[in-house]
Amino acid sequence: NAGVTQTPKFRVLKTGQSMTLLCAQDMNHEYMYWYRQDPGMGLRLIHYSVGEGTTAKGEVPDGYNVSRLKKQNFLLGLESAAPSQTSVYFCASSYSFSGVGYEQYFGPGTRLTVT
Amino acid sequence: AQTVTQSQPEMSVQEAETVTLSCTYDTSESDYYLFWYKQPPSRQMILVIRQEAYKQQNATENRFSVNFQKAAKSFSLKISDSQLGDAAMYFCAYRPMYSGGGADGLTFGKGTHLIIQP
Repeated sequence: NAGVTQTPKFRVLKTGQSMTLLCAQDMNHEYMYWYRQDPGMGLRLIHYSVGEGTTAKGEVPDGYNVSRLKKQNFLLGLESAAPSQTSVYFCASSYSFSGVGYEQYFGPGTRLTVT
Repeated sequence: AQTVTQSQPEMSVQEAETVTLSCTYDTSESDYYLFWYKQPPSRQMILVIRQEAYKQQNATENRFSVNFQKAAKSFSLKISDSQLGDAAMYFCAYRPMYSGGGADGLTFGKGTHLIIQP
């Protein structure tokens, strides 16, 4: 049981390049989330998904797109990377929104640098 | 919008002693969840403890306990018998109990850096 995994762990991009971050969970969780963490700040929600085929915007969605084609995977895309997107990206998942299994479990993070 | 405030950027404690990390939050909701997450240098976010707002009893997990004061909107974390492995950033987080369309993620404070002195 690997929990939540993220690929890649590190990446350096040039301004304008595109990339996709992959999050995978093997816990049969319905809910998945993408957060970013900037220095001196807590995590902020980018996008999230309440189930396969559904996505929604979070607090800081601009410049990112997401897809959830399979229940176990949640992809975060940057179409044209900007230096302001330099950050550490975390994926999280939870079984439910409320009641049993509402707590979120996090992946190890991806450090992205845009030059 | 909900906000979470951690007023202590850094705390230091002697090994084996007790330390309390502060957290206050602002919300108009009556039903919600509160969490403390630990982030060691490996940057992995580890759930330490959680509290449901409808429960009056404070949550406890081994050496970790909380003091939840709903009226004061305060949620402090007490670490007893501090160990070197407790050294990390600690984040307080909030989430409403019911889906609110765009407010469904965790709202985090800026964190407290906990140093354990041997």
